[in-house]
Order: sequence, then C-alpha cells, then structure tokens
Amino acid sequence: GENVEQHPSTLSVQEGDSAVIKCTYSDSASNYFPWYKQELGKGPQLIIDIRSNVGEKKDQRIAVTLNKTAKHFSLHITETQPEDSAVYFCAAGASGNTPLVFGKGTRLSVIA
Amino acid sequence: DTAVSQTPKYLVTQMGNDKSIKCEQNLGHDTMYWYKQDSKKFLKIMFSYNNKELIINETVPNRFSPKSPDKAHLNLHINSLELGDSAVYFCASSQEVISFGPGTRLLVL
Repeated sequence: GENVEQHPSTLSVQEGDSAVIKCTYSDSASNYFPWYKQELGKGPQLIIDIRSNVGEKKDQRIAVTLNKTAKHFSLHITETQPEDSAVYFCAAGASGNTPLVFGKGTRLSVIA
Repeated sequence: DTAVSQTPKYLVTQMGNDKSIKCEQNLGHDTMYWYKQDSKKFLKIMFSYNNKELIINETVPNRFSPKSPDKAHLNLHINSLELGDSAVYFCASSQEVISFGPGTRLLVL
C-alpha cells in the first residue's frame, strides 16, 4: 500500500520568510496530492491540491510542486504570517474515492 | 452551511462503556470515512463507506462498528471502551476532494 513520509516534523520561521515542507510517496499509482492545514481544535482543511498531470500549482502565497519521477511533492508558503501557524499534512492517493494516506504532519510556527 | 458535522464534540467516559459518535454531511457526497488522529497528530483511516456500503475496513478492533443508515450519515459505535481508544475521531466525506468534520475528542478514563 501507499506510504507517505513528511519532513520536517516541526518548522519555525520568522514572519515574512518562506516555509517549505516536503513529502515523498511510494505508490506510483497515486495521482492526487492534497495539502491540509489543521488549526488547534479544528479538523483538517484543504488548502491546495495537485494532480499528477501538472508539475506545479499556485494559489496566492501557497504553491505546490510535484515530481512524479522522484515521487516527491512539496508545499511552499511565501511571506509567512502568524496565522499560517498550524499543523500541515500532505497526503497521497488515487483519484476517485480511495482514502488518502497522510504524512505525519509538520507543525509550522511563524514567529512575529 | 454545507459541511460535515459530527456530534458530540467532546466525549469523556469510563473504561468499559459503550459510546456512539454521529456524523452527517450535506454535501451530497457518495463516500464517507472515519479517521482516527492520535496524540502525535497521526491521521489514520479506519473505515470507508460508499453509498452506504463498507468499502474499506482497516485493522480496527471489532469493538468499533460503523453504521450508515443512508448516504448522508455514517455513525461510529464503540463497545467496551479502552484507554487506548482516547483520540480525536474525524468523520469525512468526498466526491473528488475529501472534506473533514470538526472532530470528536474522546477521552477514556
């Protein structure tokens, strides 16, 4: 089955700096790679996703890159703000209704 | 609001008790899930239902029994609760994108 590794487990950045979180996956059949943000006491919320037919996707300060050959994908947050502080999860799965396999999460702290 | 909702938000109970968590989605999704998040924040799939039918049942003790009365509901019943069942349980639903509920924080004493 799919196995997703996520690094780092914790990340502290100064406000305004960039943050990068990296994930690798094992199953070449996976073609859907979402990123979730979980704030304290809440459920994970989808912030961006990418499918295997593209290599990069951007939404304002957030971007995701995908390298299918190397089986890794990354989340990039630019101009970080204190409200970006949360736990971020990457996930991988096949399209459709196959359950996602999640990475173990990255706790991002943005220091004002 | 269109969303995945679950009740209760908090559940504190004694070992050995039986408890249920309810989940409803009004997104019109065909597939619903239960995920468990442990104290280290690790999210792991427990069950997946598609149109009321069980699709996936990961290695979960048979004390956990999901029930889907209709496509919009997936409830989780837990018998003989154990200390190790303490966790946050998330209901989710999907058509293409998975949407999570707010979670139920279960504490077994």
